[in-house]
Amino acid sequence: EDKVVQSPLSLVVHEGDTVTLNCSYEVTNFRSLLWYKQEKKAPTFLFMLTSSGIEKKSGRLSSILDKKELFSILNITATQTGDSAIYLCAVERNTDKLIFGTGTRLQVFP
Amino acid sequence: IAGITQAPTSQILAAGRRMTLRCTQDMRHNAMYWYRQDLGLGLRLIHYSNTAGTTGKGEVPDGYSVSRANTDDFPLTLASAVPSQTSVYFCASSDSGYGGYTFGSGTRLTVV
Repeated sequence: EDKVVQSPLSLVVHEGDTVTLNCSYEVTNFRSLLWYKQEKKAPTFLFMLTSSGIEKKSGRLSSILDKKELFSILNITATQTGDSAIYLCAVERNTDKLIFGTGTRLQVFP
Repeated sequence: IAGITQAPTSQILAAGRRMTLRCTQDMRHNAMYWYRQDLGLGLRLIHYSNTAGTTGKGEVPDGYSVSRANTDDFPLTLASAVPSQTSVYFCASSDSGYGGYTFGSGTRLTVV
């Protein structure tokens, strides 16, 4: 059965800390891996990764995919309180349906 | 406003009642999806539609039905609501089913 597993489930840090969120997957017909940030309502798109070893960056956020070991990490450096959210990892299959992990809840305190 | 509109924002519903959650997009995306989000279980796919006139079952379709009469609208119907359908429901769309999805703001449904 296809599955996406995220860890940790929850993380509490102080502003300025660096965090690493993990996503591992077992999915047939893999096409891409996506990261989303969910604050109060709708998940918002962060990154889409299709190739191993190529880092995607957006400001303090970066992500990389390892298709051999079947995982991805999302790094956030110099965290801010505005980074507090649920971070969702999802894998897209060639059948074009997204499978989501359960998410990592990040809380950043001043 | 470009994006996805869901209605209602929240609803309390008596068990056994029928309810339709509305979803409209104005991006002319081909594919649309309904997910439910529950604590500890993440987002799970209920139904999807790859293009107008077609629909398919997702991971948790029981108790739900959908229709896709046109490109823009993708309503989700609960024929006879049960308490286990208490959840937050998200509608999403994508262009040709590839790449990042766009999500609506969600409908929080409580079945009592």
